[in-house]
Amino acid sequence: GAGVSQSPSNKVTEKGKDVELRCDPISGHTALYWYRQSLGQGLEFLIYFQGNSAPDKSGLPSDRFSAERTGGSVSTLTIQRTQQEDSAVYLCASSQGLTAETQYFGPGTRLLVL
Amino acid sequence: AQSVTQLGSHVSVSEGALVLLRCNYSSSVPPYLFWYVQYPNQGLQLLLKYTSAATLVKGINGFEAEFKKSETSFHLTKPSAHMSDAAEYFCAVSTNTGNQFYFGTGTSLTVIP
Repeated sequence: GAGVSQSPSNKVTEKGKDVELRCDPISGHTALYWYRQSLGQGLEFLIYFQGNSAPDKSGLPSDRFSAERTGGSVSTLTIQRTQQEDSAVYLCASSQGLTAETQYFGPGTRLLVL
Repeated sequence: AQSVTQLGSHVSVSEGALVLLRCNYSSSVPPYLFWYVQYPNQGLQLLLKYTSAATLVKGINGFEAEFKKSETSFHLTKPSAHMSDAAEYFCAVSTNTGNQFYFGTGTSLTVIP
């Protein structure tokens, strides 16, 4: 595709439910990032995938958060047993994976946990 | 470790006035520095980046930023603000020792007609 796409664009869920957020990176981009953007906060790094290497999970806030990337392309971020503090915009970005390479961001998924 | 501080979560300027958005970084190794812009209801897009070439970097839409190592700063400027510049601006740092990016908390720019 022309850019990074994310789905759904909006998600409302009840506390305790699991949610899955999807990211389709730009074709050919080997690096994929997930960030969380909360009101009044910057972008909080969550996880980074680079090619076939083990992902950098150092930013995941708890073991309720996990992510996978299948076939080096599409990625899914899963949040189990959602809490109200998980409400935020979840952003995905991809890049060619080279040092200091520009990241291209998707439009984000706005998650609201009631 | 790397980090970014953006002074001023909200900045208001009059149309035609100078835009100055501040960014200070902390890095134990030579940094790469970025400014991203997020227009309302849109994703983030790159404005400009510094990767150890010229210290004055020009970006899109008339923006530029100057890397000042002695001040650990990478402030974003534009000589004359346009209404269309109203957006959220994020400064970010990365290094050649990893591909993790550290973003600031953002500065919301309002342009007053």
